[in-house]
Amino acid sequence: DAKTTQPTSMDCAEGRAANLPCNHSTISGNEYVYWYRQIHSQGPQYIIHGLKNNETNEMASLIITEDRKSSTLILPHATLRDTAVYYCIVIQAGTALIFGKGTTLSVSS
Amino acid sequence: GAVVSQHPSWVICKSGTSVKIECRSLDFQATTMFWYRQFPKQSLMLMATSNEGSKATYEQGVEKDKFLINHASLTLSTLTVTSAHPEDSSFYICSAHSERTFASLSPQHFGDGTRLSIL
Repeated sequence: DAKTTQPTSMDCAEGRAANLPCNHSTISGNEYVYWYRQIHSQGPQYIIHGLKNNETNEMASLIITEDRKSSTLILPHATLRDTAVYYCIVIQAGTALIFGKGTTLSVSS
Repeated sequence: GAVVSQHPSWVICKSGTSVKIECRSLDFQATTMFWYRQFPKQSLMLMATSNEGSKATYEQGVEKDKFLINHASLTLSTLTVTSAHPEDSSFYICSAHSERTFASLSPQHFGDGTRLSIL
């Protein structure tokens, strides 16, 4: 599986957009980009996934570069409850998620 | 939809006892379930993958005789930690995936984890 690189931590003010980057320069053509987050002492929560096109759902937007070597997760209006560890994972469909260290996002008022 | 329930949420037991953790998919049929372990301040580590009706596939370094996994039905998988010792204390998390109910690229859905403390 392709590896991903994420910043260790990021800060965001409440109400502002949180933009979380992820590099996946060795991604293969049949691999998807998945984003999960884990709030302290809970199981990971699915956020969004994509292959080539940008995606948006009720939680976030996913922007994938044209060469697919990087992506950005956007939380449009961050709240205190968005404080969590965010994981960017690149996998083939249906295979196990392998978690890296993720980005710890701290949202403050 | 796509709810995964894990039980118990936390358990404390004496060294040497066996502990069973249940993982249930409540509103879908899980063709595949995954078990992860997470130590404090670390990321999730995949332990094993189980498909309904077949033996689990364990990751390198995970003792299959110590961590018994059963996936007897499409809605239930169990992880039994046998003869548990203090070093087995960890946060155990399951996830479920379905190719029958959803497309193959549907995401895994996670339970809320079981915090296991061995005294």
